[in-house]
Amino acid sequence: GESVGLHLPTLSVQEGDNSIINCAYSNSASDYFIWYKQESGKGPQFIIDIRSNMDKRQGQRVTVLLNKTVKHLSLQIAATQPGDSAVYFCAEASTGNQFYFGTGTSLTVIP
Amino acid sequence: GAVVSQHPSWVICKSGTSVKIECRSLDFQATTMFWYRQFPKQSLMLMATSNEGSKATYEQGVEKDKFLINHASLTLSTLTVTSAHPEDSSFYICSAPGQGRRETQYFGPGTRLLVL
Repeated sequence: GESVGLHLPTLSVQEGDNSIINCAYSNSASDYFIWYKQESGKGPQFIIDIRSNMDKRQGQRVTVLLNKTVKHLSLQIAATQPGDSAVYFCAEASTGNQFYFGTGTSLTVIP
Repeated sequence: GAVVSQHPSWVICKSGTSVKIECRSLDFQATTMFWYRQFPKQSLMLMATSNEGSKATYEQGVEKDKFLINHASLTLSTLTVTSAHPEDSSFYICSAPGQGRRETQYFGPGTRLLVL
């Protein structure tokens, strides 16, 4: 699998609204997917993960949906808060421990 | 929880010099560590897999003679950017899987390199 370095798409949402961030992955052999949050100048922070034998997983205020047919992953954030403003990346992994990151989305929460 | 540290946090150097970046797992052992590079407003690009006791595995397109990796111990991996040039300026991040499990991948805080 390979990640592609493109300029980040952006998403702006009102505080309290739900956010949906999408990600397309490239390797059909990937069996593990993770969403990370990255604040400026910091390393990625784990949010939630999902294995390929599942199509939905919920955490606290976050839900990840996996559609293997179209190789698509989404992250839903409920009741988005200003502290959620960051860049969000999906990552995919297959047999090894190597993670390959998607393009990322910059989320801005408007108070 | 497990912590991965990096040193230095940021470094400025002159073109042509070499820069060493350390990645340490503070309270767990890591036989494998990963090095990523991130340009501004772009994604993390996996550069190489650092293996304790053996040679690093580089991703396609990454020059192994340019980016020297040494996994000196079960808690330390170093990345040396040799003969750095301005285009090497980037944010370098390492990670380590906790207990060898990819599900518990811990990321370092990153090292910002600026080559003048």
